[in-house]
Amino acid sequence: NAGVMQNPRHLVRRRGQEARLRCSPMKGHSHVYWYRQLPEEGLKFMVYLQKENIIDESGMPKERFSAEFPKEGPSILRIQQVVRGDSAAYFCASQAGAPDTQYFGPGTRLTVL
Amino acid sequence: QKEVEQNSGPLSVPEGAIASLNCTYSDRGSQSFFWYRQYSGKSPELIMSIYSNGDKEDGRFTAQLNKASQYVSLLIRDSQPSDSATYLCAADTGTASKLTFGTGTRLQVTL
Repeated sequence: NAGVMQNPRHLVRRRGQEARLRCSPMKGHSHVYWYRQLPEEGLKFMVYLQKENIIDESGMPKERFSAEFPKEGPSILRIQQVVRGDSAAYFCASQAGAPDTQYFGPGTRLTVL
Repeated sequence: QKEVEQNSGPLSVPEGAIASLNCTYSDRGSQSFFWYRQYSGKSPELIMSIYSNGDKEDGRFTAQLNKASQYVSLLIRDSQPSDSATYLCAADTGTASKLTFGTGTRLQVTL
């Protein structure tokens, strides 16, 4: 039973480039959450999606960040024009349905040079 | 601001002892609470979930919830060096089930 998958595991970008992070939820899970963990800080909620819908994006920065979860394929977190402050670990979690346990993927570690 | 507070530690306990990790939360509307373990450089791994007042036991782990005091704890019996990690407390805000995490308590189990 495959768990939550994320790729790439490590991503290096130069300032001003775009970063695309992908998340495939566990089989049977239709709810996806994205969290960010800055160095030496806790996990912070960014966005909650179901297939083709953004349910809650209250944790997303207003600019440069967007997320989608299309009918087919993985959920994508997109960061445009990255800055050094975007360097962090980005975790995706999936859930079968609310309220249910969220299971985390291995994360994508983004480094902005 | 809905918050979850944890002592950052490190909490140092000898092998075989009981480790006690504590957490408080501010949102009285929170219904579900979770303890995750996170090794350095790895992703959070679910240890326990608890939804009702009282104790919930699973192997060497016991979670305790007191909604009146807005307090959650995790006890680890017979602590092992492999338990050394950061333990994250999380509360489901009830709004879209997003989790609010504490900053974590670093546990060190010494030989």
